[in-house]
Amino acid sequence: AQSVSQHNHHVILSEAASLELGCNYSYGGTVNLFWYVQYPGQHLQLLLKYFSGDPLVKGIKGFEAEFIKSKFSFNLRKPSVQWSDTAEYFCAVLSSGGYQKVTFGTGTKLQVIP
Amino acid sequence: GAVVSQHPSRVICKSGTSVKIECRSLDFQATTMFWYRQFPKQSLMLMATSNEGSKATYEQGVEKDKFLINHASLTLSTLTVTSAHPEDSSFYICSASDPGQGSYEQYFGPGTRLTVT
Repeated sequence: AQSVSQHNHHVILSEAASLELGCNYSYGGTVNLFWYVQYPGQHLQLLLKYFSGDPLVKGIKGFEAEFIKSKFSFNLRKPSVQWSDTAEYFCAVLSSGGYQKVTFGTGTKLQVIP
Repeated sequence: GAVVSQHPSRVICKSGTSVKIECRSLDFQATTMFWYRQFPKQSLMLMATSNEGSKATYEQGVEKDKFLINHASLTLSTLTVTSAHPEDSSFYICSASDPGQGSYEQYFGPGTRLTVT
């Protein structure tokens, strides 16, 4: 069974600091990878996704993530965070093979201090 | 972008009663819809996957007779929590996708907070 680990549960940063949120998955086959964001009081939104091709994926609002197959990782990065990035971030994995099941990590709460 | 709505956003019911939650895709046809449950400070747990016109596929440990799912049309799926008990209190989230478009992206609804007293 596939699983997703997000090691940082709660991250506090000052504005303009750089961000990297870890995501590791366990699944031996082909995967599709996602990062979702949930702003306070809002529902989940897709931040970025990786299906194939360039392992460095750029998403909305200046976020990017890098798929490193050898490390089973898909870390999320942003060079300079803003207060408006305060939210909860979820990494998710979709296994290939016809059965469309997405497994979510436990989420990382990011708090950006002005 | 694609929009998914849920109704109601919040419901309080008495123990033993049944509650129906609706999930609608507003501007696209969702051949597949998903129902998740989110416990406080935990991740989303997939409960079941439903495809339009066929029976839902439930995840291990989810009682299909308790959580009835009906995907009656390409824009509507319903989750009915039957004979609800306080331990069913949770945040239920649906998502929808249209794999026929070549994307496995899921669009999430805003969630329904169920409280069983």
